[in-house]
Amino acid sequence: KAGVTQTPRYLIKTRGQQVTLSCSPISGHRSVSWYQQTPGQGLQFLFEYFSETQRNKGNFPGRFSGRQFSNSRSEMNVSTLELGDSALYLCASSQTNGGSYEQYFGPGTRLTVT
Amino acid sequence: AQSVTQLGSHVSVSEGALVLLRCNYSSSVPPYLFWYVQYPNQGLQLLLKYTSAATLVKGINGFEAEFKKSETSFHLTKPSAHMSDAAEYFCAVSARAGGTSYGKLTFGQGTILTVHP
Repeated sequence: KAGVTQTPRYLIKTRGQQVTLSCSPISGHRSVSWYQQTPGQGLQFLFEYFSETQRNKGNFPGRFSGRQFSNSRSEMNVSTLELGDSALYLCASSQTNGGSYEQYFGPGTRLTVT
Repeated sequence: AQSVTQLGSHVSVSEGALVLLRCNYSSSVPPYLFWYVQYPNQGLQLLLKYTSAATLVKGINGFEAEFKKSETSFHLTKPSAHMSDAAEYFCAVSARAGGTSYGKLTFGQGTILTVHP
């Protein structure tokens, strides 16, 4: 099976712009989670989608949003970008809605905000 | 709320030496526990997981971890380090129940492992 794919791999945006990141989960996986990774804050949970529904959300401002499509592909959007949004954004997919099943991560999208 | 503490942000070992990366968790009930590895400019790769079966868990690349409830620990070990083990390692916890646990891993701050020839 193909792994989790994320596009684009690298992005450079300017403050105030918005950005959309895409994630394609492993075939058959219905849960997609998003994380932000920065040197200062480490890995932080953004949100999780299952069957097109957001079931869980981390402590991020409303500028961060996401959605999931019927084929389980997911997008996340960040509006009004700030310098502090520069980070590696990772998406992960999981086979089930249970907590015991491991998450498989994509390679990430490196977002740089200037 | 769950939390994970990784003791030591940097660990350095010689090739062939024992690798020990420490992880302690805080949770009201025993959670699910995971170790992930991240190589530069890559995503996270799962090394192993604990989901309440055997307390000694074997993973990929010769790594293993032991769940100790009394110590709330889940330390990662490898008997003999290889140069290719140099990477950053993350311990993570997931709650057993649904609700606010859905799809959420809580990660430690990571430990960078350096392997010297």
